[in-house]
Formats: sequence, C-alpha cells, structure tokens
Amino acid sequence: DGGITQSPKYLFRKEGQNVTLSCEQNLNHDAMYWYRQDPGQGLRLIYYSQIVNDFQKGDIAEGYSVSREKKESFPLTVTSAQKNPTAFYLCASSERQGTNQPQHFGDGTRLSIL
Amino acid sequence: AQSVAQPEDQVNVAEGNPLTVKCTYSVSGNPYLFWYVQYPNRGLQFLLKYITGDNLVKGSYGFEAEFNKSQTSFHLKKPSALVSDSALYFCAATYSGGYQKVTFGTGTKLQVIP
Repeated sequence: DGGITQSPKYLFRKEGQNVTLSCEQNLNHDAMYWYRQDPGQGLRLIYYSQIVNDFQKGDIAEGYSVSREKKESFPLTVTSAQKNPTAFYLCASSERQGTNQPQHFGDGTRLSIL
Repeated sequence: AQSVAQPEDQVNVAEGNPLTVKCTYSVSGNPYLFWYVQYPNRGLQFLLKYITGDNLVKGSYGFEAEFNKSQTSFHLKKPSALVSDSALYFCAATYSGGYQKVTFGTGTKLQVIP
C-alpha cells in the first residue's frame, strides 16, 4: 500500500538537544511538507519541498531544518534553537504543490520535552 | 493573503440528525477547497474537494459539501450523523495558478451524541 510513514510515533527531547523526525513516502509525489499542530491553532507550515534538493521556509521555520536528498524522504530536525518544540508534527505529500490534488498525511510524531 | 475560517470550535449533534460544519475562505484566484478529517493521534484523511463545476460535492463516508461563491463558503454536511463521525474536521484552501501553498482552518471538533 502506498502511503507516508513517520517515525518515531513519540519522541522526547532533552534541553539543548537536536532531534530528527523521519518522513518517508512511496507515493512518487514531488512535493512534501512539514506541519506543526498545536491545540486550537490548526496546522502551521514549517517547511516544504517541491522537488529533490530544493526546499522553502514556511510560516514558522525558525528553530527547524530540513533536507531533501531523495524524492522519498524529507526529514525534519528540531534544533535546540526551537524553545517550544512540544507539539504534534505531521508530514504530508502531494503530486506537486499548487495542484488540485489533496495532500496525503502520515500519522504524526508527538514531540515532548523531558 | 489567503485565509480559511472555521467559526465553530465544536459542533454537537445528536446521532441520526443532519450535521453542518462551517467554513469560509479568502483566496486571490479560483479556489480549490478541501475537507479533511482527523481522528485522535492520527494524520489527516482527505474527505472531498471542490475544483470547479457542481456546487454540491460528494465525498467519502456519506459527506458532502456545498460551495457558495457569493458567500465564499464551503460548508461540510451529512444528512444523518453517526457516532463514529466524531472527530476533528479541517477545511483547507488554495487557488489555481503557480505553486500556491495550502492554508488550513483551525479545525472544528464534531461530537455526535448517541
């Protein structure tokens, strides 16, 4: 079955530590996205990538970094500069950005502070 | 700037009654509109979309949505609610032309009461 796999499901970060969230898709989609979900705030875009080796900052990129070395993979690093990282992180993909095709979502990673 | 508003944080409806979850949007061009559903600790699942054509769009699980251009609304509806419909619902919007980001609403929690 095609889909998006996010791992781990739960992650704990110590102060001063960088952590990396994994996102892999086998849908052959060009575009991939990272969102942060906080209660009552909906989804906020962190980074997006339209194609391999290219990515753009979203609305709340500070304290986060990404890479897109392979079409299938779009890992997100939450750096120590992100002072309030506790949230539910969702990865998504679509055929390409700006089309009328819906985004497909993984089941998320819940990040908490130790 | 584009925006999506979901004016109700929560909607309560009795099982078997019709349900409506409201959404209004603001985009610069011809809108592409989407509804997604999210169950606890899961990613978003696509329900339906409006691109062009008929104002009444039918989707998964018996849901439908009505596009109203003059009121810039895209309300989600279902004739008879099920307890299993209880979840968080998100409206999203983008528009045609170029690489446009998708904007999500803040979500509406639907509670179907047995």
